[in-house]
Amino acid sequence: GAVVSQHPSRVICKSGTSVKIECRSLDFQATTMFWYRQFPKQSLMLMATSNEGSKATYEQGVEKDKFLINHASLTLSTLTVTSAHPEDSSFYICSAVKQGGNEQFFGPGTRLTVL
Amino acid sequence: RKEVEQDPGPFNVPEGATVAFNCTYSNSASQSFFWYRQDCRKEPKLLMSVYSSGNEDGRFTAQLNRASQYISLLIRDSKLSDSATYLCVVNSFGGGKLIFGQGTELSVKP
Repeated sequence: GAVVSQHPSRVICKSGTSVKIECRSLDFQATTMFWYRQFPKQSLMLMATSNEGSKATYEQGVEKDKFLINHASLTLSTLTVTSAHPEDSSFYICSAVKQGGNEQFFGPGTRLTVL
Repeated sequence: RKEVEQDPGPFNVPEGATVAFNCTYSNSASQSFFWYRQDCRKEPKLLMSVYSSGNEDGRFTAQLNRASQYISLLIRDSKLSDSATYLCVVNSFGGGKLIFGQGTELSVKP
């Protein structure tokens, strides 16, 4: 199989706090993980590409100091939304690519609500 | 212009109907093409890859026309369980980066 988990599945926080989202590949090793964001009725937008052991590559318009990505092992990548504001409320989805493969396996997503 | 554009939905069809979704992409150097399905508040799931020769998987048929940069998905004998949002996805830049269309919502009614 190729199972990807995300934690938490849902989080509600106050404006100004930081939120960490974990993405894990449960039964395979992933050298590359991707982070997406999806606003209601809109498409998934790639935020950044996370490679194990190196700095993430951010898409144009995504603030790297606000969305901190760490990919410390072959099975875990984390996204930290720092000083979250209501406009950061969204559905955050990660995906992982098996070593040697190219298909992306998606996590179940994390719904973030910032009050 | 968006990199991947799809029919604006929603499509409301009766059970058993045939429905077709269209998609165009702007980057002629795109390499890989996919259709994903996304249920409400869930992650997208790969429905099928799309090949130049066209490919079929049961009731689903996908076509690719590189010359006109056009992708299609045909669903025959639609079922209630086909109700979802269908996403046209293109790998435009290599390195695994996927570009998603905005999705077309399908609602199959009894």
